[in-house]
Amino acid sequence: AQKVTQAQTEISVVEKEDVTLDCVYETRDTTYYLFWYKQPPSGELVFLIRRNSFDEQNEISGRYSWNFQKSTSSFNFTITASQVVDSAVYFCALSVYFYGQNFVFGPGTRLSVLP
Amino acid sequence: DSGVTQTPKHLITATGQRVTLRCSPRSGDLSVYWYQQSLDQGLQFLIQYYNGEERAKGNILERFSAQQFPDLHSELNLSSLELGDSALYFCASSVGGGGIPGLAGVRASYNEQFFGPGTRLTVL
Repeated sequence: AQKVTQAQTEISVVEKEDVTLDCVYETRDTTYYLFWYKQPPSGELVFLIRRNSFDEQNEISGRYSWNFQKSTSSFNFTITASQVVDSAVYFCALSVYFYGQNFVFGPGTRLSVLP
Repeated sequence: DSGVTQTPKHLITATGQRVTLRCSPRSGDLSVYWYQQSLDQGLQFLIQYYNGEERAKGNILERFSAQQFPDLHSELNLSSLELGDSALYFCASSVGGGGIPGLAGVRASYNEQFFGPGTRLTVL
């Protein structure tokens, strides 16, 4: 069975601070994908990044960066110089493939960026 | 705008009733996924269809059913509704998500999902 844990339920930071959201996953599959999604107060779910299990290179996209470490089964997400617009719930998700594509989402981390 | 549409946006009904939620995937996407998001259960994967065929099943109750039609839109049917079914129901679509494991190109089927705006169901 697959599982995604996001131990941080809520985080509050002041604007311009850096913040890291933790994600730990469990799977017995050797081939899998990891995702991060953002859910702003408006409610829609926005795709941020996809990373496959064979690629442990870290990725940076503007103020966002992701650290994937298979050794610790973690896929952490860092926002640098946070902004008020970053306030949202962030979900980490794991997908394994058999005949279809099954997604397991973590419980989410609510990030509040204060001005 | 993700390109995924869901109707209706809001639905209020009574216990014991039956409702149908509709989803149109992005143009070109073959897979449709249904999720339930409630405060106490988080985001729960319900079911996936790929090109009209059921491919993956999550925590979907027997009172719930879904189908994907030849034009690729999907409907989620919820029956004998209970108070606890009140939630936000999301539909998502992806390009792939189906196929036969082990064949070349299967990794390409690990696609990100694009979510619709959701249908908020309130059961009174």
